Amino acid sequence: DAKTTQPPSMDCAEGRAANLPCNHSTISGNEYVYWYRQIHSQGPQYIIHGLKNNETNEMASLIITEDRKSSTLILPHATLRDTAVYYCIASPQYGNKLVFGAGTILRVKS
Amino acid sequence: DGGITQSPKYLFRKEGQNVTLSCEQNLNHDAMYWYRQDPGQGLRLIYYSQIVNDFQKGDIAEGYSVSREKKESFPLTVTSAQKNPTAFYLCASSSLAGVGTQYFGPGTRLLVL
Repeated sequence: DAKTTQPPSMDCAEGRAANLPCNHSTISGNEYVYWYRQIHSQGPQYIIHGLKNNETNEMASLIITEDRKSSTLILPHATLRDTAVYYCIASPQYGNKLVFGAGTILRVKS
Repeated sequence: DGGITQSPKYLFRKEGQNVTLSCEQNLNHDAMYWYRQDPGQGLRLIYYSQIVNDFQKGDIAEGYSVSREKKESFPLTVTSAQKNPTAFYLCASSSLAGVGTQYFGPGTRLLVL
């Protein structure tokens, strides 16, 4: 599985968009980009995933660069409840495990 | 309500004691996983199972054992051979067609007395 690099922490004002970057320069053609988040002392929650096209769901948008070496998770209107650790993972869709790194701590402030 | 349940929420282990953590899912998922999380760290895979009566070691299987006798259940035993068991344990499941989309339980926090 490709290694991903994320900033250790970010701050965002409540109501503003939160843009979380992720570098995955060694991603291979069959690897998807997955995003999860983990609120303190809870299990991780799946957010979104994509291969090469941009994706959007009710929680977030995922923008993947054309060369697929990086991506950005966008929370369009961050709330205090979005404060969590966000994990970016590159993995084959039919692999057997996800590799969770340290992630990015997002703090949403009022 | 479909989902994954883990019990207990907190578990205390004495030195030399084996303890078993429960994980049940009613999502009709074929695959189930156990992860360990230490403070400030990401998750590390202990064991996974893609089908009943079959399971494979993950990255840190030493000192742990599992069974998969039913599709819905994947209990994890932390044996006395695991010298540093204090951690947050997370169970997850997925359909075989979407291994990257895993659904997690609320976790069990294991503490050593």
